[in-house]
Amino acid sequence: KAGVTQTPRYLIKTRGQQVTLSCSPISGHRSVSWYQQTPGQGLQFLFEYFSETQRNKGNFPGRFSGRQFSNSRSEMNVSTLELGDSALYLCASSLNYESNEQYFGPGTRLTVT
Amino acid sequence: QKEVEQNSGPLSVPEGAIASLNCTYSDRGSQSFFWYRQYSGKSPELIMSIYSNGDKEDGRFTAQLNKASQYVSLLIRDSQPSDSATYLCAVRRGGSYIPTFGRGTSLIVHP
Repeated sequence: KAGVTQTPRYLIKTRGQQVTLSCSPISGHRSVSWYQQTPGQGLQFLFEYFSETQRNKGNFPGRFSGRQFSNSRSEMNVSTLELGDSALYLCASSLNYESNEQYFGPGTRLTVT
Repeated sequence: QKEVEQNSGPLSVPEGAIASLNCTYSDRGSQSFFWYRQYSGKSPELIMSIYSNGDKEDGRFTAQLNKASQYVSLLIRDSQPSDSATYLCAVRRGGSYIPTFGRGTSLIVHP
């Protein structure tokens, strides 16, 4: 069974631009969570989607948004990029939003210059 | 106040030894506990989950949970250089589906 896929793997953007990241969960998994990982803050929860609905949201500004499609694929968008948004963005897939176990994708490394 | 605490390390152990990684948490309502392994430049990989007090063994890995003392640990027996990675502890409280991660402990297994 194929794992979680994320595209693109690497991205370089300029301050003020916006970016869209994509995540395809494991086949049959319906819940997708997004995390930001930085050396300073560790792994921080952004939001979780299940059945095309945002179920949970972390403590991030409104510049961070996401959505989920009917095939469970998810996208997250960051508008008006700031230098501090440089991070590894990880998508995690689970069977449903009540599932205990999450499986991470390879991540998208975003660099904002 | 950090909710999940881990010693950042690095924890250095010789090959073949037992590596002991510890994690403490502040929320007494926590009910689900996870250990992830993250190699440098890679994403976290789930290696153990534990939900009740006591030990849970899976191959060379043993997770130990003590809810009264609010700690969870991971023992790696017969440590190998390939076990060198950062180990992340994650905790989820009952009724919530959002895990809180510790900052991780760096483990170095030297030959």
